[in-house]
Amino acid sequence: DVVMTQSPLSLPVTLGQPASISCRSSQSLVHSDGNTYLNWFHQRPGQSPRRLIYKVSNRDSGVPDRFSGSGSGTDFTLKISRVEAEDVGVYYCMQATHFALTFGGGTKVEIK
Amino acid sequence: QVLLVESGGGVVQPGGSLRLSCAASGFTFSNYAMQWFRQPPGKGLEWVAFIRNDESDKYYSDSVKGRFTISRDISKNTLYLEMNSLRGEDTAVYYCAKGRVDFGSWGQGTLVTVSS
Repeated sequence: DVVMTQSPLSLPVTLGQPASISCRSSQSLVHSDGNTYLNWFHQRPGQSPRRLIYKVSNRDSGVPDRFSGSGSGTDFTLKISRVEAEDVGVYYCMQATHFALTFGGGTKVEIK
Repeated sequence: QVLLVESGGGVVQPGGSLRLSCAASGFTFSNYAMQWFRQPPGKGLEWVAFIRNDESDKYYSDSVKGRFTISRDISKNTLYLEMNSLRGEDTAVYYCAKGRVDFGSWGQGTLVTVSS
């Protein structure tokens, strides 16, 4: 299975400051159809996951433009340009290129 | 608007069985693959199973292979997960998701607790 390695595990941030989460895969996530199926999710306590980013860099409808995704191959990043209070929670990367689909271990974002 | 509603969770003894359902609406169910995911309490997300729209392919995680069966009823727009030989490590909130690579919609999940 593809191993997804996220860092950091915990990310204390100051309101209004930027934040960055790294996600690395154990093999290339480029699908035979040419797409790279790397997603980013946000989950608040007691809630279902919400997808923020799909195919590396595409923001879902309603996701603020302070969120951006980038990367290629095996190395990916989620950036928040200016953290707001509502951004706290756990962020997961997930690859859907290869079966079994796999998630990173999660990054907990909290306000300092 | 895509709506996914999971049900069927509950408390079951180790070795027992349970069938989860996922009622889908807001899209043409027969056109899409469907999947199950789960999340143990306080832990991360895990993919469980996949079924193609025409049921021609079914894939399972190693942790559930041989014990869980994914199926669907197009006439009822419902996805199922039959879970047998349940173990403590199967305790989790179970979510269904639409599509092979589309994870834009998630239900509220249904909690399965395996305990004696």
